[in-house]
Amino acid sequence: ETGVTQTPRHLVMGMTNKKSLKCEQHLGHNAMYWYKQSAKKPLELMFVYSLEERVENNSVPSRFSPECPNSSHLFLHLHTLQPEDSALYLCASSQGLADSSYEQYFGPGTRLTVT
Amino acid sequence: AQSVTQPDIHITVSEGASLELRCNYSYGATPYLFWYVQSPGQGLQLLLKYFSGDTLVQGIKGFEAEFKRSQSSFNLRKPSVHWSDAAEYFCAVAGPGTYKYIFGTGTRLKVLA
Repeated sequence: ETGVTQTPRHLVMGMTNKKSLKCEQHLGHNAMYWYKQSAKKPLELMFVYSLEERVENNSVPSRFSPECPNSSHLFLHLHTLQPEDSALYLCASSQGLADSSYEQYFGPGTRLTVT
Repeated sequence: AQSVTQPDIHITVSEGASLELRCNYSYGATPYLFWYVQSPGQGLQLLLKYFSGDTLVQGIKGFEAEFKRSQSSFNLRKPSVHWSDAAEYFCAVAGPGTYKYIFGTGTRLKVLA
């Protein structure tokens, strides 16, 4: 595997379910990100981790719970979601956080549908 | 307020024709500027970036962009479009010392054979 991978690619879940999204980066980066991509809206930054420490929680509802066990893996745990949470969830990584000159590399995303 | 505007939601061009996608930004500091492309079912791939220096930036896949400070613009161009260029294109702005990118809402490109 190369770059940033995400699993599953598609997920349909009910409002009472609990599921997790997984992201893995094979680039040796130290920072990882979760974004939400909804139609006709700019990408929304949700969470940022640097060396497994959360440095950004962008007013995201508690039904989204991130976890970063090591610098290569990032999870997004989901529970009691709402239909408006249906979106494409993108994971990204970068060499570091010090500056935006560190390019962010994106995974293919997980298409989430909440029924 | 910091923002990125991509005024064209959809653009359709014929294969072989030239392309220009518009991007205007509002940013307090000297900006870093990016163009990303997202093909169907894929994540975002960086096409090119501008940090400083020459205002005409060359990227991958034959794309280029020109930074015009006076117009707060960073338009993306390609002289001859290929059918494989059909995708969604996102402009983004960020600044020195921050990891936060501000993305536009995207322009979806359709290429006619």
